[in-house]
Amino acid sequence: GQNIDQPTEMTATEGAIVQINCTYQTSGFNGLFWYQQHAGEAPTFLSYNVLDGLEEKGRFSSFLSRSKGYSYLLLKELQMKDSASYLCAVPFSGGYNKLIFGAGTRLAVHP
Amino acid sequence: GAVVSQHPSRVICKSGTSVKIECRSLDFQATTMFWYRQFPKQSLMLMATSNEGSKATYEQGVEKDKFLINHASLTLSTLTVTSAHPEDSSFYICSASIGTGLNSPLHFGNGTRLTVT
Repeated sequence: GQNIDQPTEMTATEGAIVQINCTYQTSGFNGLFWYQQHAGEAPTFLSYNVLDGLEEKGRFSSFLSRSKGYSYLLLKELQMKDSASYLCAVPFSGGYNKLIFGAGTRLAVHP
Repeated sequence: GAVVSQHPSRVICKSGTSVKIECRSLDFQATTMFWYRQFPKQSLMLMATSNEGSKATYEQGVEKDKFLINHASLTLSTLTVTSAHPEDSSFYICSASIGTGLNSPLHFGNGTRLTVT
């Protein structure tokens, strides 16, 4: 089967750095996605990792370790607008664009 | 700009009535679209895969006769919630991918908040 685990909630201070972890179990691996979702809105794509290592994209970076079934999203120079849910997702086995989502991590950024 | 358009954004209906939600891909053709449902403070749960020109594929536990999906063209999929009940109140979101590669991200519509009274 497939399973994704993320912390439920995190808090951080404006200007700081926060790391959101995700562990997954899949019968096959076709990459891992991170999405951001503000309350009441649709998710927006942040990153995709299929190879081990760190992918940096501005203030957001995503890391993957396939051997450990582990990924993290790193947010630097936090801003108030970064308060949102962050969803880790992997494709269903055999389904390229069909994603299974983790429960999401609600991040609250405080002044 | 948005690549997937969803309508309506919000709908309130009476118990027992049906509600249709439209999902359109903008400036690209989507042979496959996905319908998700999200309850408050929970993650997105895949309901079904909408396939252009053929029957939708439903996930386990999703009633196909209650959630009718039609994908009549390459740019439009519709989800009809039939005989809606208060427990169907949820946030429904459609999505599509511009490409078919493994790294092609899903683009989501803005969602439809359904309230059944």
